[in-house]
Amino acid sequence: SAVISQKPSRDICQRGTSLTIQCQVDSQVTMMFWYRQQPGQSLTLIATANQGSEATYESGFVIDKFPISRPNLTFSTLTVSNMSPEDSSIYLCSVEEPTTRAPPGELFFGEGSRLTVL
Amino acid sequence: AQSVSQHNHHVILSEAASLELGCNYSYGGTVNLFWYVQYPGQHLQLLLKYFSGDPLVKGIKGFEAEFIKSKFSFNLRKPSVQWSDTAEYFCAVNRHSSASKIIFGSGTRLSIRP
Repeated sequence: SAVISQKPSRDICQRGTSLTIQCQVDSQVTMMFWYRQQPGQSLTLIATANQGSEATYESGFVIDKFPISRPNLTFSTLTVSNMSPEDSSIYLCSVEEPTTRAPPGELFFGEGSRLTVL
Repeated sequence: AQSVSQHNHHVILSEAASLELGCNYSYGGTVNLFWYVQYPGQHLQLLLKYFSGDPLVKGIKGFEAEFIKSKFSFNLRKPSVQWSDTAEYFCAVNRHSSASKIIFGSGTRLSIRP
């Protein structure tokens, strides 16, 4: 199974600033996913990041607010721009099983980055 | 709207009690179904999955789930819970037509009284 490391694990930020979250995987993966888990709510997919192409954003999420980089097959970043208290959430990086032919949807998750915006 | 519903927000049980957590989805067509678990302070991990075949699937730690296509349900069960089962449980669905897009339910917090 893939091991996923996220940085920072938590941060407290001021309104109007931006924060970049890093996701490192211990093996090469084609697709990486960024989710948000707001307090008391479920996981919501923000975008899918493929290496060498623009990220694909879900409805309600835009590149200007959540720019994503995917420079290689083991790394991705998500930036939360111009933050407001509504952006306070846990941001999760996830990947599909890289070594099997498992059907889509079986994901491995990092421990998440807990972001608090004051 | 397409969705995944978990009707129980918080379930409290005593040790050795039986558990059933409900999950319903609203997608038509072929789906993959999952239960993920998040133990306190840990990351999300896969508990069990259904792709095809026997609709009764068994996962780790004595958990099982039954896919009932006619009811669009994938309920999670365990005959006798332990204190260590205290966690948040998420049902998730992936449609075969949606590549790797997976939709999660709102989660059920399970608290086990020792």
